[in-house]
Amino acid sequence: DQQVKQNSPSLSVQEGRISILNCDYTNSMFDYFLWYKKYPAEGPTFLISISSIKDKNEDGRFTVFLNKSAKHLSLHIVPSQPGDSAVYFCAASETNDYKLSFGAGTTVTVRA
Amino acid sequence: NAGVTQTPKFQVLKTGQSMTLQCAQDMNHEYMSWYRQDPGMGLRLIHYSVGAGITDQGEVPNGYNVSRSTTEDFPLRLLSAAPSQTSVYFCAAQGGYTEAFFGQGTRLTVV
Repeated sequence: DQQVKQNSPSLSVQEGRISILNCDYTNSMFDYFLWYKKYPAEGPTFLISISSIKDKNEDGRFTVFLNKSAKHLSLHIVPSQPGDSAVYFCAASETNDYKLSFGAGTTVTVRA
Repeated sequence: NAGVTQTPKFQVLKTGQSMTLQCAQDMNHEYMSWYRQDPGMGLRLIHYSVGAGITDQGEVPNGYNVSRSTTEDFPLRLLSAAPSQTSVYFCAAQGGYTEAFFGQGTRLTVV
């Protein structure tokens, strides 16, 4: 049973607008959350992370929001650029655990 | 700085054949892991290692073996390939309880 769920398989957004990707989790022991970006024929690359002691983390155009009570996190990309077209994976881990649990991914397409 | 290097990039096997997917890292990270990526499933953990000589099973270990004789290398062995093992395989290395660094992947097809 997947403990990390990304319920939107795909997202299409116009260049310059905001992309919002959502992720839900069921394991209340998760306390560290990450987003990865993946281009075709490449490995996933780390994008941004957030610890459960925070509710927001920002890095340039990327912001991750965490709502622990709802077991929900989201990634905002503002403004969206054509190079942002990729698959985005949400991942989570428990305290002092290396193992990552991944969602199924959301394919983002940024239209010119 | 190469990071995590996987070989081969592509492989076709016949059912029942064996092979080893190679993974090497030059970051001196203690933790290494293998994932497989299947459509609609995300990445699932196969095996992991917290240091040389220590390995453990992940979520989907059946049909795979691993060993860790050095910090740098973490090979994944398929003992008798099955069509269900057709997938894209990723090796990763982590220096702590933070982000994992992934290799470019091995696309394996079992016919």
